[in-house]
Amino acid sequence: NAGVTQTPKFQVLKTGQSMTLQCAQDMNHEYMSWYRQDPGMGLRLIHYSVGAGITDQGEVPNGYNVSRSTTEDFPLRLLSAAPSQTSVYFCASTGTDGYTFGSGTRLTVV
Amino acid sequence: GQQVMQIPQYQHVQEGEDFTTYCNSSTTLSNIQWYKQRPGGHPVFLIQLVKSGEVKKQKRLTFQFGEAKKNSSLHITATQTTDVGTYFCAGPGGSQGNLIFGKGTKLSVKP
Repeated sequence: NAGVTQTPKFQVLKTGQSMTLQCAQDMNHEYMSWYRQDPGMGLRLIHYSVGAGITDQGEVPNGYNVSRSTTEDFPLRLLSAAPSQTSVYFCASTGTDGYTFGSGTRLTVV
Repeated sequence: GQQVMQIPQYQHVQEGEDFTTYCNSSTTLSNIQWYKQRPGGHPVFLIQLVKSGEVKKQKRLTFQFGEAKKNSSLHITATQTTDVGTYFCAGPGGSQGNLIFGKGTKLSVKP
């Protein structure tokens, strides 16, 4: 079992560029979510999905889009990157034993 | 909205000393989860507490859930350098499956 796989691990974007952070899980979990982690701010929920075809906003959704066409995949799209989106992004899925997090994407927007 | 507060923010200990981090919620929680994140790593699930007054142990780690289910603690006995990292508590958010995370306690251990 690979668990939760995130790509890329590192990314540098210029302001205004768009990109997609990929997330895939092989545990057949219905619930998936995206968090961003900033120093001193903990983990903040961006978007989440309770199953294929269903997504909803979390605490900090502005500037991000998500879709859930399959149970396995939950990509996060940055529409027009801003320096304030410099952060570490974690994807997670959950079954009955807590969240399983991916290894993260460290994004820098210059 | 619901908040999960965690103290202290930082803790520096000498190897062998004990360590405790505390988590408090503004509302009653149906359960509380604890995670550990090593430096440069991702959060890893440690445990979930569900019952009022519940106490669970994992080797040198002791987890408690308060009687009112609004607070929790993680205690590490005789810390080791392998305990270094940030410990997060998390409680259910407003929607099914959501977790609200505390800001974490960063533990450093001096050999």
